Amino acid sequence: QVQLVESGGGVVQPGRSLRLSCAASGFTFTNYAMHWVRQAPGKGLEWVGDIFYDGSNKYYADSVKGRFTISRDNSKNTLYLQMNSLRAEDTAVYFCARDTGTVEAGPNQYFPHWGQGTLVTVSS
Amino acid sequence: SSELTQDPAVSVALGQTVRITCQGDSLRSYYTSWYQQKPGQAPILVIYSKNNRPSGIPDRFSGSSSGNTASLTITGAQAEDEADYYCNSRDSSGNHVVFGGGTKLTVL
Repeated sequence: QVQLVESGGGVVQPGRSLRLSCAASGFTFTNYAMHWVRQAPGKGLEWVGDIFYDGSNKYYADSVKGRFTISRDNSKNTLYLQMNSLRAEDTAVYFCARDTGTVEAGPNQYFPHWGQGTLVTVSS
Repeated sequence: SSELTQDPAVSVALGQTVRITCQGDSLRSYYTSWYQQKPGQAPILVIYSKNNRPSGIPDRFSGSSSGNTASLTITGAQAEDEADYYCNSRDSSGNHVVFGGGTKLTVL
C-alpha cells in the first residue's frame, strides 16, 4: 500500500535552513505530483506547495515563496522540502501528501495519502 | 489567491444529522475535498470531487455544492466522528491549493 514517511524535522534557529525528506513507496512515484502541507501547533492545515510528477513545475504558497524549494529525486522515490531563512511562524508539523491526479491531467486537490508528519520548531 | 471560510465549531447530538459548510469564490470553479483530522493524526480524506467517498469511508458522509458553498453532511453522527474537518480546493488561478480554517465537530 501507499506509504509516505517524512524525516528531517527538528529544532532550528531563526534564519537557518533545514531540509525535509519524504520517502515514498507502494506506488509509481514518477506518475504523481506531490505536495507539502503544514500545520502550526493548534492551528489549521496550510498548503505549502507542490511539484509536478517530473519536477517540471512547482507552485508555492505566498507565505513561503522565495524561501522554500520543493524538489524530487524520482530515482530514489523521494520528495524534498528545502527551507531557508526560517522564521518562528514556520514552526509546524510538515506533511507530505500525494494527490489523485494523473500525468495527463496534472495535480489536483484530492489527497488520499499523507505521511505521519515531521515537526519543525524554529526557535532561538 | 483565494480564501475558504468555515465555521470554527459545530455540534450535533448523537445519531442526528449535521452539515459543515465551506464558502469561497473559487468554489464556483473548482470542486472541494473534505478531510477529517483527530488529535495527533494525519488528515483523512472523506469526500472528494462531486461527492465521492474513498474506500473505507462510511456512507453517512456525503458532499454537495451550490454556488460558492460546499457542504459536508454526516447523516447519523457517531461518537467517532468527533474531529476537526477541513475543506480544500483550488484558488482562482488554479495553481494553488487552499484549505479552509477548519471546523471542530463535537458529538453530544
